[in-house]
Order: sequence, then C-alpha cells, then structure tokens
Amino acid sequence: GQNIDQPTEMTATEGAIVQINCTYQTSGFNGLFWYQQHAGEAPTFLSYNVLDGLEEKGRFSSFLSRSKGYSYLLLKELQMKDSASYLCAPMDSNYQLIWGAGTKLIIKP
Amino acid sequence: GAVVSQHPSWVICKSGTSVKIECRSLDFQATTMFWYRQFPKQSLMLMATSNEGSKATYEQGVEKDKFLINHASLTLSTLTVTSAHPEDSSFYICSARQARGGNQPQHFGDGTRLSIL
Repeated sequence: GQNIDQPTEMTATEGAIVQINCTYQTSGFNGLFWYQQHAGEAPTFLSYNVLDGLEEKGRFSSFLSRSKGYSYLLLKELQMKDSASYLCAPMDSNYQLIWGAGTKLIIKP
Repeated sequence: GAVVSQHPSWVICKSGTSVKIECRSLDFQATTMFWYRQFPKQSLMLMATSNEGSKATYEQGVEKDKFLINHASLTLSTLTVTSAHPEDSSFYICSARQARGGNQPQHFGDGTRLSIL
C-alpha cells in the first residue's frame, strides 16, 4: 500500500532551525512535494524534489533520498509566521499526490 | 504566477440546498483539476480528478451523483454538492495542475467552507 510517515507535531524556537522528516512508500515515484498549510487555509506549494539531493529555496530547503524513501524539509531562521502544518506529498506512478496528515510546527518566541 | 481562485469562500445554507463551487486558474491553463475535502485536523481527501473536456474520475466512496463536477474549459471547474446535508459540512478545496500528467505542482484555491444547517 501507499504510506507516509511524518511526526505529528514539532516545537521550535523563533530564530532556530528545524528539520521535518518524512518517509514514504508509494506505487511508483514521480517526485515529492512539500506544502505548507496554515490553520483554516488551503495548502501552498513550497518545493519539489525528483532527484536525490538538496534543493535550497531561501530559508527553506528540501532533501530527497529515493533509495531510502526519505525526505526532509529544513527551515532556517524560524519566524512566528512559519507556525503551520507541513505536508509531505509524494507523487505515485499515476501522477497522483499521496497526502498524509502532515506535521504541525509550533514556533515559540 | 499559478494563481487559482475559488468561490465562494463561505457558504451557510439549509439542508436540501444544492451548492455550486467554482475553481478558476487565473494565469495558466489547467488541463487537470482536483477536488479535495478536509475535515478538521485531518489530511486532505481527494474526491475526484477532472481533465478538461472529459468526465471526472471519482475516488472510491465518493458519490458522483451527489458531487457533480464539470470541467468545461481549461480555466474553470465547478463542483456542485446536490441536496446538501449536515454531514456534507466540510472544507472543500480545489487545485489545478498545468500539464496533463507530468510532475507539475498542484496549485490550490483558498478553499470553500461549507456549513449545512
């Protein structure tokens, strides 16, 4: 079956760095997306990885290891507005995104 | 770029009413659009996938006669919840993707919060 595993909740301090891990199992693989979802709002696209390695985009970076079925999202210089849920969404062989419940990130001053 | 507009944002109506939600891609052509439902503190649940000009593909357990989807143009898809009941109350979100298949990201509308009294 298809499965995504992320921590349910994480807490970090403003200004710090946090890494949100994701392991996945899918039927085929066409890349992995990270989305941010603030409470009561729709998700917004953050990053896409299809090859192994690190993709950096400002304060956010995303890493992928296809052989391990593993990805992480790295958030630097945390700001209060980064408090949100972060959704790891791999794409299967039918180009469908597989959604988990995401990781709720709480930023404390 | 890649802006998706969804209307209305909020709907409150009586049981038995039909509700129509519009999803528009404003600055790109969306060959594929997706309709999701999300209950509080739960993951996104895909309801159906629609490709422009063809019938929508519904996920298992989603009643196609209750949730009517139309994707008549490359920039507009509509979801009609027919004869809505309180259990249909939820957050409905559409997304659009630029290419048919392919590894393009889905871009989401702002969602529609539906409350059936």
